[in-house]
Amino acid sequence: DAKTTQPPSMDCAEGRAANLPCNHSTISGNEYVYWYRQIHSQGPQYIIHGLKNNETNEMASLIITEDRKSSTLILPHATLRDTAVYYCIVRVATNYGGSQGNLIFGKGTKLSVKP
Amino acid sequence: DTGVSQNPRHKITKRGQNVTFRCDPISEHNRLYWYRQTLGQGPEFLTYFQNEAQLEKSRLLSDRFSAERPKGSFSTLEIQRTEQGDSAMYLCASSLVVSSVGPPQYFGPGTRLTVL
Repeated sequence: DAKTTQPPSMDCAEGRAANLPCNHSTISGNEYVYWYRQIHSQGPQYIIHGLKNNETNEMASLIITEDRKSSTLILPHATLRDTAVYYCIVRVATNYGGSQGNLIFGKGTKLSVKP
Repeated sequence: DTGVSQNPRHKITKRGQNVTFRCDPISEHNRLYWYRQTLGQGPEFLTYFQNEAQLEKSRLLSDRFSAERPKGSFSTLEIQRTEQGDSAMYLCASSLVVSSVGPPQYFGPGTRLTVL
């Protein structure tokens, strides 16, 4: 089972910031938080990941609470092309030769960006 | 580098037939993963390879499923004696593992299988 809880759906106005929450209250100290998204009929797309510090890249920002039990993915200026299902996943760091390879997806949050 | 590619993109087959899918990972990525996704659900892990070694298999991977990565580059996933329940999107992903920091997985576009 997925270790995260996300709202099933959210709406956001085009041009506004989209803030997608994720609860991962049972996260372990060696587990990272990953975000992927999946646009209809395409493969999942990696967005960002982090351990405990906030992270930012060209796509989004990831804010992780100090106790690491929840996080928020922020799309600063949502566009219609950001309409997708967003998955929050917790996963151990992968050691070379280790077995913790797979991602466990939940049902994610369906984000609808509206004009 | 054009990312992970999968072929075919769509496959329609009759129940009982065998099908084979191919995945070409990002060049020099040493890990390759297979997932299955049914309608309305998130992807489910099937198996993964570290170079040519198959290191983990999900309980979802029944005896009718077999995956190979003979030279540590491309991989094939074969389903024998297909059943209607095998209808799904089959996704391939790859990553480059060089340290203990978890690398992201990059997914291909998927192969959509329909079993009639």
